[in-house]
Amino acid sequence: GQNIDQPTEMTATEGAIVQINCTYQTSGFNGLFWYQQHAGEAPTFLSYNVLDGLEEKGRFSSFLSRSKGYSYLLLKELQMKDSASYLCAVRGIYNFNKFYFGSGTKLNVKP
Amino acid sequence: DAGVIQSPRHEVTEMGQEVTLRCKPISGHNSLFWYRQTMMRGLELLIYFNNNVPIDDSGMPEDRFSAKMPNASFSTLKIQPSEPRDSAVYFCASSLEMRGGGSYEQYFGPGTRLTVT
Repeated sequence: GQNIDQPTEMTATEGAIVQINCTYQTSGFNGLFWYQQHAGEAPTFLSYNVLDGLEEKGRFSSFLSRSKGYSYLLLKELQMKDSASYLCAVRGIYNFNKFYFGSGTKLNVKP
Repeated sequence: DAGVIQSPRHEVTEMGQEVTLRCKPISGHNSLFWYRQTMMRGLELLIYFNNNVPIDDSGMPEDRFSAKMPNASFSTLKIQPSEPRDSAVYFCASSLEMRGGGSYEQYFGPGTRLTVT
C-alpha cells in the first residue's frame, strides 16, 4: 500500500523561508514530485527527485532521502503569491505512470 | 502551446442524470489520467490510459463510472446515474512516457467542478 503524510496547514511571513515536509511509506518507489495548487486551479509541477539530495530551482528547492522515506520542499524569499496548497506525490515502481498524492499542505503567507 | 483542455468547466445536475466530462490532452502526450479531488479524500487517481488503452482502472469508484479514449486527442469520463456524493472537481492530466525513463511529470487541465443535487 501507499501512505503519504504532509502537514495540513502552515503559516509563514512574506520574505521568510518555509520548509514543507513529506514522509512516505510505499511498496515501491521511483521518484517523488511536488506540485503547487492555487485555490480553484489545477496542480502545476514544481520539482522531481529520484536520487537522494537537493534539487534547486530558483526560490524553490526539494530534498529527498530514500532511506528515510522523507522529502521536503523549501521555499525561500516567500511572496504573497506563494499562498497555495503543496502536494507531494510518489511514483510507484511497477508503473511509472501511477502517482500517489498526499492530501496537500495549505501554505498561508502573511504580510 | 495549448495545455490540457477540459469541458465543461462547471456542471450542475440533478441526481440520477448522466454526466459526461471531456478532455483533450496535450498534443504528442501518450498517457492520460482522470483524477477526482475532494476536501475529504484529496486527489485520487480514477483511471489512466497509455496509447489510448486503459491500463489501470482500479480507482474507478463503481460501475456507474466509465471512461473511454477513442483516439489520442480525446477522452471522456461518464457517470450514469450521478449521485450527490459524486460532487467533486474532476481533473484530466496528460504526460509523455518515453523509453529509457524520465520524470514523466503530469500536466493537469483546469478541471470540471461537478455538483450533483
